[in-house]
Amino acid sequence: DAGVTQSPTHLIKTRGQQVTLRCSPKSGHDTVSWYQQALGQGPQFIFQYYEEEERQRGNFPDRFSGHQFPNYSSELNVNALLLGDSALYLCASSSISGANVLTFGAGSRLTVL
Amino acid sequence: QQQVKQSPQSLIVQKGGIPIINCAYENTAFDYFPWYQQFPGKGPALLIAIRPDVSEKKEGRFTISFNKSAKQFSLHIMDSQPGDSATYFCAATYTGNQFYFGTGTSLTVIP
Repeated sequence: DAGVTQSPTHLIKTRGQQVTLRCSPKSGHDTVSWYQQALGQGPQFIFQYYEEEERQRGNFPDRFSGHQFPNYSSELNVNALLLGDSALYLCASSSISGANVLTFGAGSRLTVL
Repeated sequence: QQQVKQSPQSLIVQKGGIPIINCAYENTAFDYFPWYQQFPGKGPALLIAIRPDVSEKKEGRFTISFNKSAKQFSLHIMDSQPGDSATYFCAATYTGNQFYFGTGTSLTVIP
């Protein structure tokens, strides 16, 4: 049973560029959350998607946007990249019926130069 | 503002020792408190979790102690092993949507 898969695993961008990160949730999960983990810090909640709608959003600017597809997979888009956006971006999936149990992917490591 | 405060930042113990990691919170609406374990290059993995209606929960060598009046909870790892060397995060939520994580504790277990 595949867990949460994320792509790409690593990527390097320059300031001002745009990036798209992708996530496939664990089989049987219908909810996807995105977290940003800066080096040496805990994950910070970006937003959560359920039924293709943004359900809740953390304290992140509008440069961060997302999408959920009918097959429950999700994308995270970040526009106008800043140096401070360099981080590990984690996707976590859950079931709406068991929302407290998050399964994380290995993350996408973004470096902004 | 950090919703969940975690300490210590790092911890070194001998094999067989009992490392203890502490977390404190302010929001009394939190109703679920998980601990996650993260190895380098991996995402966090759920280790154990507790709800505020119980004071202690054990799963194998891992124990959570919960003090509702003090708004504190801690993770104890019994008979620690070198394979337990990882970063540990406490977290809290009250909606099941947004989880608030601590800043992490890097644990090293020396053989």
